[in-house]
Amino acid sequence: GQNIDQPTEMTATEGAIVQINCTYQTSGFNGLFWYQQHAGEAPTFLSYNVLDGLEEKGRFSSFLSRSKGYSYLLLKELQMKDSASYLCAVSDSNYQLIWGAGTKLIIKP
Amino acid sequence: IAGITQAPTSQILAAGRRMTLRCTQDMRHNAMYWYRQDLGLGLRLIHYSNTAGTTGKGEVPDGYSVSRANTDDFPLTLASAVPSQTSVYFCASSEGRGADNEQFFGPGTRLTVL
Repeated sequence: GQNIDQPTEMTATEGAIVQINCTYQTSGFNGLFWYQQHAGEAPTFLSYNVLDGLEEKGRFSSFLSRSKGYSYLLLKELQMKDSASYLCAVSDSNYQLIWGAGTKLIIKP
Repeated sequence: IAGITQAPTSQILAAGRRMTLRCTQDMRHNAMYWYRQDLGLGLRLIHYSNTAGTTGKGEVPDGYSVSRANTDDFPLTLASAVPSQTSVYFCASSEGRGADNEQFFGPGTRLTVL
């Protein structure tokens, strides 16, 4: 079967750095997405990785290792507005997105 | 304002009733999707459409039907609602169905079936 694993919840301090991990087992791989979802709102796109390595976009970076079936999202200089759920999704062989359950990130002052 | 709209925002429905959730996008995207989101579970694909006139089944299609008469609209119908269909429903769209096609999401419809 297809499976995406992420931690259920993480807590971090404002101004700090946090890494959210995602491991996957899917039938085929056509890229990995990270989305942010604030409570009661729609998911919004953060990043897309299809090749191994680190993609940096401002305070957010995303890393991919296809051989390990592993990705992480790195958030730097955390702000209170970063409190949200972070969703990992893999595009499988049919270009269907398989979604993890999401990691709820709590930022404390 | 470009984007995706969904209606209604929320709905309480008696079991056995028929319900259509509406979704409209103005980005001229070819592909559209319906997901449900339940606590503790990832988004699950109900149905999708690669282009106007075509539809396909996702991971959890039973009890739901869709149509795609034109590019902009992608309604989701529950023929006879059951309590297990209580969920938050998100409509999404993307330019195509290729690997790097970012999906854009509507604001969601919160549906409660009693």
